[in-house]
Amino acid sequence: GQQVMQIPQYQHVQEGEDFTTYCNSSTTLSNIQWYKQRPGGHPVFLIQLVKSGEVKKQKRLTFQFGEAKKNSSLHITATQTTDVGTYFCAGPYSGAGSYQLTFGKGTKLSVIP
Amino acid sequence: SQTIHQWPATLVQPVGSPLSLECTVEGTSNPNLYWYRQAAGRGLQLLFYSVGIGQISSEVPQNLSASRPQDRQFILSSKKLLLSDSGFYLCAWSYGGADTIYFGEGSWLTVV
Repeated sequence: GQQVMQIPQYQHVQEGEDFTTYCNSSTTLSNIQWYKQRPGGHPVFLIQLVKSGEVKKQKRLTFQFGEAKKNSSLHITATQTTDVGTYFCAGPYSGAGSYQLTFGKGTKLSVIP
Repeated sequence: SQTIHQWPATLVQPVGSPLSLECTVEGTSNPNLYWYRQAAGRGLQLLFYSVGIGQISSEVPQNLSASRPQDRQFILSSKKLLLSDSGFYLCAWSYGGADTIYFGEGSWLTVV
């Protein structure tokens, strides 16, 4: 079953408003990764978090990894139309003797100009 | 630098026809290779992954198959397409199972 839960599924914001998507794992993760997929495009890697409580910033994007390493969030400050797309979190899970990255279902962000 | 190429970019196929999507990776050796499907513009469904030549793991039993005839070549096939096979197919690679995944530009398949 789905091991990475991501909420919300959809988010519509006015340009300039903030946006946050949350990712929760059923188990402790060694790392968590975030990807962005623009409409009509393919997912592109944004960042990886490894340490408990880690916070990383990329311009207006702030990524956090929970203390227990079971949850993460992506916060965008003052959204712009260029932020439109679907944001996925992904974590490594063990299966069939190897670790594979499992993706959340994504949060689709719409920005109203 | 590493690059991934996937083709064709778009195709429209009749029900019952065969399918072949091809993907190649350049600039690295022995990568993990993946095929994902994305229906209705949402979640990423892992179809197949491969850790080496001739080694294919299937995540979801279905009408599709995958092959890895060479180290950096990954092929997705079907003998007879179903309407439900329509979607956006993404090839991807990584250094290891838990590492960052790099996606190709995708192939839009419409089965009519």
